Formats: sequence, C-alpha cells, structure tokens
Amino acid sequence: QQQVKQSPQSLIVQKGGISIINCAYENTAFDYFPWYQQFPGKGPALLIAIRPDVSEKKEGRFTISFNKSAKQFSLHIMDSQPGDSATYFCAAAAPGNQFYFGTGTSLTVIP
Amino acid sequence: EAGVVQSPRYKIIEKKQPVAFWCNPISGHNTLYWYRQNLGQGPELLIRYENEEAVDDSQLPKDRFSAERLKGVDSTLKIQPAELGDSAVYLCASSLEPAVAYEQYFGPGTRLTVT
Repeated sequence: QQQVKQSPQSLIVQKGGISIINCAYENTAFDYFPWYQQFPGKGPALLIAIRPDVSEKKEGRFTISFNKSAKQFSLHIMDSQPGDSATYFCAAAAPGNQFYFGTGTSLTVIP
Repeated sequence: EAGVVQSPRYKIIEKKQPVAFWCNPISGHNTLYWYRQNLGQGPELLIRYENEEAVDDSQLPKDRFSAERLKGVDSTLKIQPAELGDSAVYLCASSLEPAVAYEQYFGPGTRLTVT
C-alpha cells in the first residue's frame, strides 16, 4: 500500500512557468513533509519541508502548500528554470517512524 | 563538511554472487539509513540504525540481506546470494537523532546490476 501518493508522474513546463506537484497521504500521525530533488546519478537532496501546523512555507522560488483537512500537500516551483529539471519526491514521516516516499515526478523545464 | 560517502558507485555481478556496499555517514550523525530505490520509484527503507542498534529492519529481506554498523559510524550492507530482482540503487542516508531532527542527507548511492 502506497503511504504517499504523488502526481503527476512527469511534467513539462516552459521556462518561467510554474511547476506544481501534488501529494496525498492517509496516516494522520505524519508530522513532517519534506520534498527532495534528485538529479541523475545523485542521491535525493532535501529541498524544503513543512510541518502540519502551518499551511504554507516558502523558500526562494519553492513553496509548499499544506492542506491538513484534505491530507494533501503540494510543491510549487515559481519561475521554473532548465536547471530545475530533475525528479522530485515528496515524503512523509511520523515521530520515530520511517520515511515514506512518493513515486516521484520527473520535471522537464523547456528553455 | 563532507557528505555521506558510499562505495562502490557501481557494481555488476552475476546472480547468486555476494555483494557488499559501504557507507560512511556525516560526522556526528548517529542515525543511519539504508534505502533501496528501484527504477522510477522513490526510496524504500531497508534498515535504520541508531548508533550501533538496528531499530527498524522490518523491510529487510533477512534471508539474503544483512547489515552491520560497527562502532556506530560506518555501515555495510550485504546481499548473499544476489537475485536478478535486487538490481537497484542502494542509498545510504544519515541524520541527527530522528526524534528531534528529520533532515536526512543522502549519499550518491550504489547502482547494482545483477545479470
């Protein structure tokens, strides 16, 4: 059973556009929701993370929107750049428990 | 500061052969994770260590996989014998105590191909 469901599987965006990736979860014990960026041949790197006591967190061009009642969260990449082309994973974790990762979204930003 | 170091980066073996992967976590990180990442999928936890103790190995296929973390620093993950379905990227990650900090730092991974 997939603990975290991620969509879309792939995304193509024009340079300067907004990239949006969505995730949903069921376990209400989750209290930490990170997003990871992974380039080919590299390990995932933490991009931004949020806890359920806030509805939005912004770091530069990256924003997480969190909807606790709907059990959904999303990553918005503003002014998308070709260098943002990578695979993005959402994840969720509860205290003392393991991380559950989404299946990933392959983002391609076209110049 | 050096990141998580893994070796080898690539390994090709025939099925039924043994293989081992090594991980050196970030200095001071007492929690270490081994993940398996299949092509087109997110990482899946195999085992988590807090210091020398394996605190979560529920997803580790214990009939063929084993792991150790001597002295609470470096760790080795072993597969014996390897099967075709073990082809994947094996990722190591480390973090401070999980109860207070969730940030995990991943190594580059070892890409295993079993033929």
